[in-house]
Amino acid sequence: EVQLVESGGGLVQPGRSLRLSCAASGFTFDDYAMHWVRQAPGKGLEWVSGISWNSGSIGYADSVKGRFTISRDNAKNSLYLQMNSLRAEDTALYYCAKATNYDLSTWGQGTLVTVSS
Amino acid sequence: QSALTQPASVSGSPGQSITISCTGTSSDVGSYNLVSWYQQHPGKAPKLMIYEGSKRPSGVSNRFSGSKSGNTASLTISGLQAEDEADYYCCSYAGSSTFYVFGTGTKVTVL
Repeated sequence: EVQLVESGGGLVQPGRSLRLSCAASGFTFDDYAMHWVRQAPGKGLEWVSGISWNSGSIGYADSVKGRFTISRDNAKNSLYLQMNSLRAEDTALYYCAKATNYDLSTWGQGTLVTVSS
Repeated sequence: QSALTQPASVSGSPGQSITISCTGTSSDVGSYNLVSWYQQHPGKAPKLMIYEGSKRPSGVSNRFSGSKSGNTASLTISGLQAEDEADYYCCSYAGSSTFYVFGTGTKVTVL
């Protein structure tokens, strides 16, 4: 069974950093691009960042560019999101998603990040 | 990159058909036949319902169908059922820098 499990969320003060992780299982991790998508409380989905299977292609939403860094470790079947200079507007449930071609075919259950003093 | 535009809400009676529109630009929806649609029930993760504009993943009911014309994509749910009540989001590939852009979301209510 394909499974994605996010971790690393929590309460953090504005301006501080947090690192999210996503553990993948049930599929050949290094065959697929991976993405982070977030959802602020009561709001819609927002694509945050994506990384190709070999880390050769990386992209970010304008709202996080320069502050967030996506990475992956194929040996550990893991995806990461380093979030620096966090702002209140980064408060959201962060989902990890597996990409199949140009769609997000499998999603984790998310990890909640709350940015507040 | 601006979010794709969807109606905030759509409703229908059981057995009816409804259509949700998703309007983008020539930089996203209009440039690629790579629109996907996601269903999200409250407190749950999104689920892929349509990919590459009109294709259904295995296990998704054939009551769900997708299409595109110009800069607007559409999701049609036929034979509406109570279990279809959820939020629906479109998503388009937007190029090699900003990979994806989501729609604003549509709440479907089954009357």
